[in-house]
Amino acid sequence: QKEVEQDPGPLSVPEGAIVSLNCTYSNSAFQYFMWYRQYSRKGPELLMYTYSSGNKEDGRFTAQVDKSSKYISLFIRDSQPSDSATYLCAMSAGYNAGNMLTFGGGTRLMVKP
Amino acid sequence: EADIYQTPRYLVIGTGKKITLECSQTMGHDKMYWYQQDPGMELHLIHYSYGVNSTEKGDLSSESTVSRIRTEHFPLTLESARPSHTSQYLCASSEFSGRDTDTQYFGPGTRLTVL
Repeated sequence: QKEVEQDPGPLSVPEGAIVSLNCTYSNSAFQYFMWYRQYSRKGPELLMYTYSSGNKEDGRFTAQVDKSSKYISLFIRDSQPSDSATYLCAMSAGYNAGNMLTFGGGTRLMVKP
Repeated sequence: EADIYQTPRYLVIGTGKKITLECSQTMGHDKMYWYQQDPGMELHLIHYSYGVNSTEKGDLSSESTVSRIRTEHFPLTLESARPSHTSQYLCASSEFSGRDTDTQYFGPGTRLTVL
């Protein structure tokens, strides 16, 4: 079983829709949670970063972490065609555990005009 | 804005050839990483470095080797390429973000095809 599970999609939505992207994980030591966006033929770019449980908002993007359920989410409001990309979740247990990132497989999102 | 560069962006090569994938960063980051990513699959760490003259193998076994002679440069070498090496190779570097974990910045990747 993978440490981090992510629905590969593709997820296709109309422009303006609210998008929900999710990851589940099994390692309770993970404390740092990130979302990366990867456009086709590009490297991943950091989108959101959260520590422990709770919500974080940045413009149209909201990241949620529920450590009790080992479940994280990324919400995109008013989705745009330019949001079409693969979204990767990544997690870390911090320096005490070597500080390496464990990635999900990514969810491919397509926003249609 | 992260400045991390990879060359070549695309490489098609025959079996048995020796290849070196280049990665450079201009941010002065001590930590650098190489990941392998197959289409639709997660990133797998194959090598990392904590600084000059430091190299370690990652979670995914790889026949490649790396070197870190300069802070800004972290090349990856395959002595004898095989079709099983066909993949996308992503280089990353990180800085301490002050939150007990690092923020990794990625290069654009090298898409390698071995015929």
